[in-house]
Formats: sequence, structure tokens, C-alpha cells
Amino acid sequence: AQSVTQPDIHITVSEGASLELRCNYSYGATPYLFWYVQSPGQGLQLLLKYFSGDTLVQGIKGFEAEFKRSQSSFNLRKPSVHWSDAAEYFCAVAPASGTYKYIFGTGTRLKVLA
Amino acid sequence: GAVVSQHPSWVICKSGTSVKIECRSLDFQATTMFWYRQFPKQSLMLMATSNEGSKATYEQGVEKDKFLINHASLTLSTLTVTSAHPEDSSFYICSARGVSSNQPQHFGDGTRLSIL
Repeated sequence: AQSVTQPDIHITVSEGASLELRCNYSYGATPYLFWYVQSPGQGLQLLLKYFSGDTLVQGIKGFEAEFKRSQSSFNLRKPSVHWSDAAEYFCAVAPASGTYKYIFGTGTRLKVLA
Repeated sequence: GAVVSQHPSWVICKSGTSVKIECRSLDFQATTMFWYRQFPKQSLMLMATSNEGSKATYEQGVEKDKFLINHASLTLSTLTVTSAHPEDSSFYICSARGVSSNQPQHFGDGTRLSIL
């Protein structure tokens, strides 16, 4: 079955520390991959996306993600976290054609300590 | 670019009334729009997919007579919650994607619906 797993429900880091949020997927073929961020009471903002090509993807707000086909992973990273990064982060996959319906992970809530 | 506007952001109404939520793509044409429901501290649950000019495709378990979706133009989709009841209270989010193949979904800011 197709699925997206975000193993960490909650993560707490100190401001200035590095961050890695994990995302693993189970899919028949290589899908399109996305990371979104959601602040409380808001919609989702696209951080970055992977369709093809270079497996290291740069996004907004200093985030990057690396697609590893062998591990079926698309982990999100940031070298130095800011207090404003505290939010909920969702990984999503979509088929490369057709409906483009997303399968979302369950989300990772990031808390940043001052 | 790729801005999606959702209105209203918050609505409170009495049980039994119908509520319409609008989703507009402001700076791109959206052939496909999606409607999601999100419960507190949970991920998004896809309710339906709508393509401009055709009937929406509802996910299993979503009542199409309860949640009416219209996608009359390339920039506007509406979700109407008919005869709303307290159990329909939730956070509803729309998204839209453009016409070309390599396009992500762009999300609105959501609508908080509270039924008294």
C-alpha cells in the first residue's frame, strides 16, 4: 500500500542547532515529493519539491532535502534553526501523472527552545 | 506567485444552516482544486478533487450531498456544507494546482468552521 511515514511526532531543538526531519515513503514508482510547513491556524506553505534531477533540493527559509531512492527517503534539513521555524511539518508524495493527489505523512511538530 | 485565497477564514453559524467556502487562485489558472479537512493535531484528510467544468470526485466516506463542490472556473472552487451540524465543525483547507504537469499544490489559509 502507498504510504508516507514521518517517524517523529514531536522534535525539540535549541535555536541555532541543526535540524533533520525524516520522511519515508512506500510507493510503486518514484513519486513527486514535497515538504510543507503549517503554522497554527494557517494553511500549508510549500518549502520545497522534488520532481527529478539533482537529488539535493534547496527550498525557502534555508531548508534543503535529499532524495535517496535506495532508502525511499526524503529527509528535510536545516543547518541552523530559528525560533520562527517552530511549526508543523508535513511530507507529501504524489504520483508523477494523473490525479496528482497527495499522500500526506502524519506530520512532525517542531518546538524550538530559546 | 501561486497565491491561493480562501474565504472566509472563520465562520460560526447555527446548526441546520448551510455554509459556503470559496477558494480562489489569484495569479494562476487552476485546473484541479482539492478540498481537505483537518482535525486538531492531525494531518490533512482529502475530501474531494475537483476539475474545472466537471463533477467533483469524492473520497470514500465523504457525503457528496453534505459537501457540495463546484468548480465553475479556472480560478474558483466552492465548498458548501449543507445543513451543517456540530460534527461538521472543523478546519477546512483548499488547494489548487496549475495546468502544467510539474506543479505542486498551493494551499489556502483554511477556514475554521464552528457549528453551534
